Amino acid sequence: DQQVKQNSPSLSVQEGRISILNCDYTNSMFDYFLWYKKYPAEGPTFLISISSIKDKNEDGRFTVFLNKSAKHLSLHIVPSQPGDSAVYFCASHFDQFYFGTGTSLTVIP
Amino acid sequence: DAGITQSPRHKVTETGTPVTLRCHQTENHRYMYWYRQDPGHGLRLIHYSYGVKDTDKGEVSDGYSVSRSKTEDFLLTLESATSSQTSVYFCAISGDRGYGYTFGSGTRLTVV
Repeated sequence: DQQVKQNSPSLSVQEGRISILNCDYTNSMFDYFLWYKKYPAEGPTFLISISSIKDKNEDGRFTVFLNKSAKHLSLHIVPSQPGDSAVYFCASHFDQFYFGTGTSLTVIP
Repeated sequence: DAGITQSPRHKVTETGTPVTLRCHQTENHRYMYWYRQDPGHGLRLIHYSYGVKDTDKGEVSDGYSVSRSKTEDFLLTLESATSSQTSVYFCAISGDRGYGYTFGSGTRLTVV
């Protein structure tokens, strides 16, 4: 049973606009959340994280929002750039990290 | 670079043959993990290690075994490969259980 879900397999956004990637989870015990970015033929790389005691964390163009009551996590990328085109995985931690199925983002120049 | 390498990068093997994938790190991290990535499933944990000779199962451990005889090496073995084990395998390391991981570049395994 998938404890972390990314319901949008793909997303296309114009360059300069905002990209919003979503993630839902089921386990209220998750205490730490991360986003990873993956290019083809490479391993995932860490992008940004947030602790369950916070509701927002910002790093440059990337902001992660956490809504614990809704068990929902989102990643905002503003402005989106063509180099952001990749697959994005969210991950939630309790006893281990549980990964979502990924969302493929395409930023159109 | 984080100092994690996987070998081989690609492998094609026949059903029923044993296969060993290697993960090598130069970061002296305590924790090492093996994941597989499949369409529609994301990344799923196979096995992990929390020290030399200390390993435990993940959510998809059936058909796999691991060994860690040195801090820097974590081996994943498919004792008798099956077509359902065709996948991309990623090794990851972390210095602490709750911290984010650093992933290797992956091994694409095809079982024919």
